[in-house]
Amino acid sequence: AQSVSQHNHHVILSEAASLELGCNYSYGGTVNLFWYVQYPGQHLQLLLKYFSGDPLVKGIKGFEAEFIKSKFSFNLRKPSVQWSDTAEYFCAVNTGANNLFFGTGTRLTVIP
Amino acid sequence: NAGVTQTPKFQVLKTGQSMTLQCAQDMNHEYMSWYRQDPGMGLRLIHYSVGAGITDQGEVPNGYNVSRSTTEDFPLRLLSAAPSQTSVYFCASSPTGGSSYEQYFGPGTRLTVT
Repeated sequence: AQSVSQHNHHVILSEAASLELGCNYSYGGTVNLFWYVQYPGQHLQLLLKYFSGDPLVKGIKGFEAEFIKSKFSFNLRKPSVQWSDTAEYFCAVNTGANNLFFGTGTRLTVIP
Repeated sequence: NAGVTQTPKFQVLKTGQSMTLQCAQDMNHEYMSWYRQDPGMGLRLIHYSVGAGITDQGEVPNGYNVSRSTTEDFPLRLLSAAPSQTSVYFCASSPTGGSSYEQYFGPGTRLTVT
């Protein structure tokens, strides 16, 4: 069965620090990849997505992610985090069927 | 557009009670789905629908029923609530193409079963 791993459960950073959140998946075929964010008290919203083409994708609020097919990874990055980035981040993988598999989430706390 | 709406926001049930969580979307999306979110487990798919009259099971369907009589509405029914169903439930919708496309999520329903 497909699985999505987010190894960082809770990350604490100071403002202006750089961020990288890991996401690995287990599926050998074609995938569509997503990062969703859930701000405190809000519902999930899309940060960015990868379907095909340039493996470096840019999303909202300065986030980007790189798809490395050989490593089955789709890590999320941001050069300089802000306090307002405090949220929970979910990686999700779609394998072409009507199923979207989510990782367990990474809670990011940014200290002003 | 209101997007995806869910009611109620909060609900407390006793073991064995039944209830329906409502979900509606006004974006004319064909695909709708229900997820539950539990600490340390992320979101797991309960049921989904690719269009009116068509539903299918996801990863964790036991104890839940769904129906899709219209494009707009996708209610989730708990037949006999159990404490293991204490969770936050999210409804989501997507344009034709199913979960290959961006999912639009509702605000969630926090359910506690005692």
